[in-house]
Amino acid sequence: GAVVSQHPSWVICKSGTSVKIECRSLDFQATTMFWYRQFPKQSLMLMATSNEGSKATYEQGVEKDKFLINHASLTLSTLTVTSAHPEDSSFYICSAREGQGYYEQYFGPGTRLTVT
Amino acid sequence: GQNIDQPTEMTATEGAIVQINCTYQTSGFNGLFWYQQHAGEAPTFLSYNVLDGLEEKGRFSSFLSRSKGYSYLLLKELQMKDSASYLCAVVDSNYQLIWGAGTKLIIKP
Repeated sequence: GAVVSQHPSWVICKSGTSVKIECRSLDFQATTMFWYRQFPKQSLMLMATSNEGSKATYEQGVEKDKFLINHASLTLSTLTVTSAHPEDSSFYICSAREGQGYYEQYFGPGTRLTVT
Repeated sequence: GQNIDQPTEMTATEGAIVQINCTYQTSGFNGLFWYQQHAGEAPTFLSYNVLDGLEEKGRFSSFLSRSKGYSYLLLKELQMKDSASYLCAVVDSNYQLIWGAGTKLIIKP
């Protein structure tokens, strides 16, 4: 149980275009989803926290107009990287938490984004 | 501020035992996680400690001392597949996960 999927697993896009990454909880309802970014040989960096039906809470330094997050249902959250630039190339990982009383985050497999 | 410290890198021999330490200073404490992350992959759950003491799970054990702000992950009978990064993360008073930078464990034959 507690499986989280991400799609796509990898994507290459041209500078200036937008990319959408989907995160789905397959066998549970995720009241909260998290989006992380990880650059090579660095730790996870939390970008934003989203609760179903409400606006995402972004971490300091993360541009909310550039990284659009939509958590429209209890099983789906999307991250859209708008006007992507080469410096946005990174490993994006989502995770989901089942409820307020459950602290464990279940991670998706990650999406490797390369902007050329 | 909130801070979690782990060694950057450790090296151990196949079949041996290794202990990865984690010290933390956070605003509140609601538990500590250990995750394993292989290169290019997402983290996978290893353990969760919220009370003091040792939790054993097969070859892996995790220890917590809340009074000392300290935890360690103990890996026994090391295998080559254990080569990975090990991430320590603390749940703070807002139920947010505060991540350490991770410890890269290199296993040599």
